[in-house]
Amino acid sequence: GIQVEQSPPDLILQEGANSTLRCNFSDSVNNLQWFHQNPWGQLINLFYIPSGTKQNGRLSATTVATERYSLLYISSSQTTDSGVYFCAVERRSNYQLIWGAGTKLIIKP
Amino acid sequence: DAGVTQSPTHLIKTRGQQVTLRCSPKSGHDTVSWYQQALGQGPQFIFQYYEEEERQRGNFPDRFSGHQFPNYSSELNVNALLLGDSALYLCASSFGEAETQYFGPGTRLLVL
Repeated sequence: GIQVEQSPPDLILQEGANSTLRCNFSDSVNNLQWFHQNPWGQLINLFYIPSGTKQNGRLSATTVATERYSLLYISSSQTTDSGVYFCAVERRSNYQLIWGAGTKLIIKP
Repeated sequence: DAGVTQSPTHLIKTRGQQVTLRCSPKSGHDTVSWYQQALGQGPQFIFQYYEEEERQRGNFPDRFSGHQFPNYSSELNVNALLLGDSALYLCASSFGEAETQYFGPGTRLLVL
């Protein structure tokens, strides 16, 4: 099956810093989503981005489908950005999201 | 507009018991997916329901079963609980194929 690898596994930054999270996937996909899971377990959609670039405030994401990777950028980090960031992909007509192991981000004040 | 809701929020069971978890999808959504998330790991796909039928299933034993009702709400049933079934169970809803999935707050199940 398709493999999803995220890096780095852990990231500790000071408030105000910028960060880049990476997601590599082993086969072509028709769906790629980035999620943020807060300390209480709630998963929040950040981006639906099977290809191209999107921006939402301090967050942006780029997926290069031909090279099978996606990047999530967080600028001017805030303590509320702490949590685990997941990348999840879906094969065409497979209906199931396959998840990476996540990047645990800690933003220190 | 209510988002995805799940009940109960927490549950404690003992080995061998059976459990039923419930999910109401976001308004306008017709597809419900269930995931199991063990501590420190990413979610694992259990199955997806569409038009009251199981459309796709992940690598989970038959002890895990589900149902979707005409109003699109769904239940996840787990029989003969094992200690390893302790996890956060997440429900996600969506509309159509290859669309963004929206997640509920989850049910934390502890099996003793």
